[in-house]
Amino acid sequence: DADVTQTPRNRITKTGKRIMLECSQTKGHDRMYWYRQDPGLGLRLIYYSFDVKDINKGEISDGYSVSRQAQAKFSLSLESAIPNQTALYFCATSETGRNTGELFFGEGSRLTVL
Amino acid sequence: QKEVEQNSGPLSVPEGAIASLNCTYSDRGSQSFFWYRQYSGKSPELIMSIYSNGDKEDGRFTAQLNKASQYVSLLIRDSQPSDSATYLCAVSYNFNKFYFGSGTKLNVKP
Repeated sequence: DADVTQTPRNRITKTGKRIMLECSQTKGHDRMYWYRQDPGLGLRLIYYSFDVKDINKGEISDGYSVSRQAQAKFSLSLESAIPNQTALYFCATSETGRNTGELFFGEGSRLTVL
Repeated sequence: QKEVEQNSGPLSVPEGAIASLNCTYSDRGSQSFFWYRQYSGKSPELIMSIYSNGDKEDGRFTAQLNKASQYVSLLIRDSQPSDSATYLCAVSYNFNKFYFGSGTKLNVKP
């Protein structure tokens, strides 16, 4: 089983619908991140969290919200999906201290908004 | 806005050759630098990290950092077809946030 698990892996939805992408990890890391990847644009940071009570906006947080339900769970929500949110979304984790720079990625959630 | 620039490629090299991947960054305060490899349809995985000027070698991979020129590179010696992937450069100022380039696609031809 993957250490960082994302659900769903693929989702097609319509404009205006609310969507939640979930991420859970068994690595015991305190830091969790949500990125989106678009062709030609690389990975862009949406939100990140360093512990359950800590939530921070990234580069492109508009239109998204997050919830850190537990140390191991970090969810990304699109309150009213729009077509330009069609992308591949990655959850990632890292640990504070040694090797903080290494991000461990989930397998990705491909979202299509029609 | 912190920018990380990479040539999108594709970079094509024959098997056994040296592949050279380059990355420039805009924030002079950047302190840590990473190379991730992403196979098609897969998630990125870390292959190298470098924090000080100079070279860092790990097997067939060498990362090079020049902070004065705001430049980081990755050399892959004895390139193999299995090295064909997209290579992402990532930069961080304080290990809190990581800024990624758009990636360079490498094709290693048998």
